[in-house]
Amino acid sequence: GQQLNQSPQSMFIQEGEDVSMNCTSSSIFNTWLWYKQDPGEGPVLLIALYKAGELTSNGRLTAQFGITRKDSFLNISASIPSDVGIYFCAGQKQGAQKLVFGQGTRLTINP
Amino acid sequence: GAGVSQSPSNKVTEKGKDVELRCDPISGHTALYWYRQSLGQGLEFLIYFQGNSAPDKSGLPSDRFSAERTGGSVSTLTIQRTQQEDSAVYLCASSFPGSPYNEQFFGPGTRLTVL
Repeated sequence: GQQLNQSPQSMFIQEGEDVSMNCTSSSIFNTWLWYKQDPGEGPVLLIALYKAGELTSNGRLTAQFGITRKDSFLNISASIPSDVGIYFCAGQKQGAQKLVFGQGTRLTINP
Repeated sequence: GAGVSQSPSNKVTEKGKDVELRCDPISGHTALYWYRQSLGQGLEFLIYFQGNSAPDKSGLPSDRFSAERTGGSVSTLTIQRTQQEDSAVYLCASSFPGSPYNEQFFGPGTRLTVL
């Protein structure tokens, strides 16, 4: 099935560093979402973006909906140990209910 | 309040056997989704139920997969004659389309291993 192109696949950083990950698609999405998944759990929504060009923050997290509606990025500032996990982007097309997911970015933090 | 619950949390089965996975959505959520997550991959849409409407089955990978939702609440995903490539985590989500953002809330998943 269709998946979004998410990069990087994994990141190994020091605590306190900033993190950036992105997602691209060959087709347009009307909604972009960023989820975090902890081991043994389902994904939890972090940020939702509904307008092209929109920049939204949630605490140390900032995400942007690309102006072309074909990409999005997520930044995490001043990383802390609880940021460890797998981050997924997801897109939703106009009028559709299903979400299309990226392959995920696995974040590991060295204390 | 209770979130989305799924059972069993883990299921190990032999190739060729049938399995049933259960999802209990959040009370009041009229929309229910099934996704599959293979090892190291993102989630892949399988099927979507909304109220009494015909389900969107466009993501089901083969006719061995089926799902039903009884009484507009609990859903069961059935995989017949399981194959090793069916091994994955099966995630259920529910949402309330009348809410402003129709956020999908996910359960913890059922990890299926086909030997």
